[in-house]
Amino acid sequence: AQSVTQLDSQVPVFEEAPVELRCNYSSSVSVYLFWYVQYPNQGLQLLLKYLSGSTLVKGINGFEAEFNKSQTSFHLRKPSVHISDTAEYFCAVSTIKAAGNKLTFGGGTRVLVKP
Amino acid sequence: EPEVTQTPSHQVTQMGQEVILRCVPISNHLYFYWYRQILGQKVEFLVSFYNNEISEKSEIFDDQFSVERPDGSNFTLKIRSTKLEDSAMYFCASRASGQNTGELFFGEGSRLTVL
Repeated sequence: AQSVTQLDSQVPVFEEAPVELRCNYSSSVSVYLFWYVQYPNQGLQLLLKYLSGSTLVKGINGFEAEFNKSQTSFHLRKPSVHISDTAEYFCAVSTIKAAGNKLTFGGGTRVLVKP
Repeated sequence: EPEVTQTPSHQVTQMGQEVILRCVPISNHLYFYWYRQILGQKVEFLVSFYNNEISEKSEIFDDQFSVERPDGSNFTLKIRSTKLEDSAMYFCASRASGQNTGELFFGEGSRLTVL
């Protein structure tokens, strides 16, 4: 079974400052990795994903994440945040198998961008 | 852009009552999922459904829960006799056939409040 740990439950950050959200996973098999964002009172929207290839992946809204296999991490970064980035961010993992492919989510990191 | 739609957006019910949450997945998708998020907690997998049968379910998905695809478009989650602890946001998700990457498309959720 796989698991995902998001080390920070809340991250306050000032507007235009950089932010990094940490994610570590555990799995005995190869995985696909995802970051989803949940804006207030909305559903889950895919920010970016790592399937294979380059370990640095770029997503929407200026976010990027780096897959580090040796450290089993997939940290999310943005060099300069906006007020509109205030949301909850979920790291998720899916194992590479034929069917089902459920996502396992971390506990989420709530980002509050302050002016 | 195609999207997953869920109804109702919010339902309040008395303990012991039956509840049906409805989802219309993206039209060419063949894999369907239900997740739930208890307030302040992580997003948890409930069940996955493919080819008119459950492909995987979690320990949360006990005999009080059932899923159905009654026609070609709807995917429903039924809770037979609701408990207080069933209060949560329930998310439906779908995935296209052949897209074996685990990327799921989520609806905006149905908030269930059990009194």
